[in-house]
Amino acid sequence: QKEVEQDPGPLSVPEGAIVSLNCTYSNSAFQYFMWYRQYSRKGPELLMYTYSSGNKEDGRFTAQVDKSSKYISLFIRDSQPSDSATYLCAMKNYGQNFVFGPGTRLSVLP
Amino acid sequence: EAQVTQNPRYLITVTGKKLTVTCSQNMNHEYMSWYRQDPGLGLRQIYYSMNVEVTDKGDVPEGYKVSRKEKRNFPLILESPSPNQTSLYFCASKRTMNTGELFFGEGSRLTVL
Repeated sequence: QKEVEQDPGPLSVPEGAIVSLNCTYSNSAFQYFMWYRQYSRKGPELLMYTYSSGNKEDGRFTAQVDKSSKYISLFIRDSQPSDSATYLCAMKNYGQNFVFGPGTRLSVLP
Repeated sequence: EAQVTQNPRYLITVTGKKLTVTCSQNMNHEYMSWYRQDPGLGLRQIYYSMNVEVTDKGDVPEGYKVSRKEKRNFPLILESPSPNQTSLYFCASKRTMNTGELFFGEGSRLTVL
């Protein structure tokens, strides 16, 4: 079993749809949870960052962490064509080792 | 502009020919790391460095070397590249005390024939 699992997609949705992206993990020591967005031919960039369990909202984006289920989610409301990218979940414990999911490729169709 | 710069962006080489991928950051970050990205496997850490002259192995260090002689630079060295090192490589940096945000370079696509 991989340490972090993520549905690779691809996921295609119409513009304006609500998108749900998810990751599961096996290491209960993870404390920091992140979502990175990666456009084609670019490096990943941080989108959302949360510590421990709970929700965090930033504009159209909401990150949820459920440590009891070892499950994290990213919701995108009113999705736009500019949201088309690969979304990577990432997590770490108190050390410096980041563990990334394989990424979900999202296409938002106009 | 704050950035992580990698060179070359694209490289095709042959088995056994030593190569170096350079990485430089202008944010005065203590922490730097190298990842490789392969389809279905995501980003896997090769090596990381907490500060000058301090380097540690990540998850997939075999076949790679690194050095950290200056704070801003963290080159990745492939002494004898093999076809299984064909991949997309990313350098990243962050402030050691900043727990979340890794700043990534634009990537270096390496093909080993």
